[in-house]
Amino acid sequence: QVQLVESGGGLVKPGGSLRLSCAASGFAISGNYRTYMSWIRQAPGKGLEWLAYLSGSGSSTHYADSVKGRFTISRDNAKNSLYLQMSSLRVDDTAVYYCARQVVGPTSHYFDSWGPGILVTVSS
Amino acid sequence: QSALTQPASVSGSPGQSIAISCAGTSNDVGSYNLVSWYQQHPGKAPKLIIYEGSKRPSEVSNRFSGSKSGNTASLTISGLQAEDEADYFCCSYGGSSPFVFGSGTKVTVL
Repeated sequence: QVQLVESGGGLVKPGGSLRLSCAASGFAISGNYRTYMSWIRQAPGKGLEWLAYLSGSGSSTHYADSVKGRFTISRDNAKNSLYLQMSSLRVDDTAVYYCARQVVGPTSHYFDSWGPGILVTVSS
Repeated sequence: QSALTQPASVSGSPGQSIAISCAGTSNDVGSYNLVSWYQQHPGKAPKLIIYEGSKRPSEVSNRFSGSKSGNTASLTISGLQAEDEADYFCCSYGGSSPFVFGSGTKVTVL
């Protein structure tokens, strides 16, 4: 059974940093070229915003313009965990952050499993 | 990359059918058959209900169906039930941006 659980959220001041973790179980986040991992967020009362992905091989990353240069996605294969290092945080980064498993292929491009989410609040 | 356009709200009575539109452009919805739909109940994580435009995960009710015409994708819920009351988001491959989500639609069962 696929399970994703985020941790590491909380209250941080503007300009600060935070690292989110996503522990995966039921599958390996590495080694499958068709399985990528993504971070997606949802500001309070708003829609979903994709932030970043890491390819199954670990060789490719891609970021949304809104977080490029401030956020870094990475993983620890031994711990089967995904991370999001966030720096230079702004008030508008306040959101629930989800990690999601991403299915990729010539005709496939969707998120088939999501974690419950973790709240990050950026406020002075 | 702008968000895909969805109606803010759609409502229907139990047993009725409703449709939710997801308007994009020739750069996203119109160019790829890569639209997915997600259902989100309050305080919960999104759940995949449609992928590759019209396919359903095995555990999702066949009351949910997806289609596309030109630059607009649609999600139809037939035989509306109380448990279908939730927010629904579409998502498409966006070319320059791997993923672009819709603005979201709140479905109310009257």
